[in-house]
Amino acid sequence: DTGVSQDPRHKITKRGQNVTFRCDPISEHNRLYWYRQTLGQGPEFLTYFQNEAQLEKSRLLSDRFSAERPKGSFSTLEIQRTEQGDSAMYLCASSLPQGHTSYGNTIYFGEGSWLTVV
Amino acid sequence: AQSVTQLDSQVPVFEEAPVELRCNYSSSVSVYLFWYVQYPNQGLQLLLKYLSGSTLVESINGFEAEFNKSQTSFHLRKPSVHISDTAEYFCAVSGNTGTASKLTFGTGTRLQVTL
Repeated sequence: DTGVSQDPRHKITKRGQNVTFRCDPISEHNRLYWYRQTLGQGPEFLTYFQNEAQLEKSRLLSDRFSAERPKGSFSTLEIQRTEQGDSAMYLCASSLPQGHTSYGNTIYFGEGSWLTVV
Repeated sequence: AQSVTQLDSQVPVFEEAPVELRCNYSSSVSVYLFWYVQYPNQGLQLLLKYLSGSTLVESINGFEAEFNKSQTSFHLRKPSVHISDTAEYFCAVSGNTGTASKLTFGTGTRLQVTL
């Protein structure tokens, strides 16, 4: 069990450029979540997948943001036309299916991907 | 919808002293409650959780939290802190139906332990 893996860990980009983050969840975790954390704040929910289906999106996820999980395994989060306000840490998390004997209502976070827009 | 209030943004404390980090929540449905810890430049690690049963829950490293439904609180305590406990602590809540694992976090409390 290697935990939730995120790549890249740090990204500096110029305003207006597109960036993509990748998340590899823990094996057998069919739920995958994206959160955003800005300095001095707690993480905020962005979106959630169950297998390949994107079941919920926060209003924080503007049309410049798109998340995919094409085969129900890894996920990507793309930000188009980045703005300075997008600077934050993007956290990915995963969990077992609700009802799984080991579910325990626990989600496991990766170490995050830091984005700095200059 | 749920919300979480962590009243203290920073808590300085001397090593071996006791500490309490406060967390209050608001929800229209029954909830699950969590404390996560975040060390510098790292992601979040689950410290402890309350799902049901005993209202006092404990972590493996000496922290405990008590669910108080009447006061809608889930304060985190440790009787004797160590330098290595220096970190950001986040209280979180989720509803116990639907997307039960979707978490709403507080703004965090920075615990600074000094000698």
